[in-house]
Amino acid sequence: DGGITQSPKYLFRKEGQNVTLSCEQNLNHDAMYWYRQDPGQGLRLIYYSQIVNDFQKGDIAEGYSVSREKKESFPLTVTSAQKNPTAFYLCASSMGGQVMGGYTFGSGTRLTVV
Amino acid sequence: AQTVTQSQPEMSVQEAETVTLSCTYDTSESDYYLFWYKQPPSRQMILVIRQEAYKQQNATENRFSVNFQKAAKSFSLKISDSQLGDAAMYFCAYRRGRGYQKVTFGTGTKLQVIP
Repeated sequence: DGGITQSPKYLFRKEGQNVTLSCEQNLNHDAMYWYRQDPGQGLRLIYYSQIVNDFQKGDIAEGYSVSREKKESFPLTVTSAQKNPTAFYLCASSMGGQVMGGYTFGSGTRLTVV
Repeated sequence: AQTVTQSQPEMSVQEAETVTLSCTYDTSESDYYLFWYKQPPSRQMILVIRQEAYKQQNATENRFSVNFQKAAKSFSLKISDSQLGDAAMYFCAYRRGRGYQKVTFGTGTKLQVIP
């Protein structure tokens, strides 16, 4: 079945450490996104990519980095510069902009700083 | 910038009754799309219903329907015959027209279904 796979489900990070969250899709979607979810704040866009080897900052990109070397993969790195990384992270994908549609989401990664 | 506002942080409904969740948005665009997403306790986001702004007819998906008031920039979700499985966070979302894919989400409404 087609879908989006996020791993790991739970991730613990020590202060000052970089960590990478994985997102893989087999839907042949062009666009991929990373959102951060905090209680009471809904979903906030970190980065998005509409084609391979290209990506744009979202609303809260500081302290994060991404790459899009393959259509299927869009990993997110949470760097030590991110001051408050504890949150739930959601990856999503969508078809090209000519098709009206929403996102398909992964099941998320819960990141906790210890 | 587009904003999406959900003014009801929490709502409750008796099983089999009807409930309406509110959403307003702010945009200067004429071509856009609106969505309602459901996030159950598993935290998997599920698309419930979507509406194209150029369509006057309100979208319907089984027990879920919307009341789209374009002039008022209002997009409410009505859930009929509420079921225990409807208990979840519901997010209203906005996307500009074709060729632009970024989606803006509201802060969510937590719906409790009382047996």
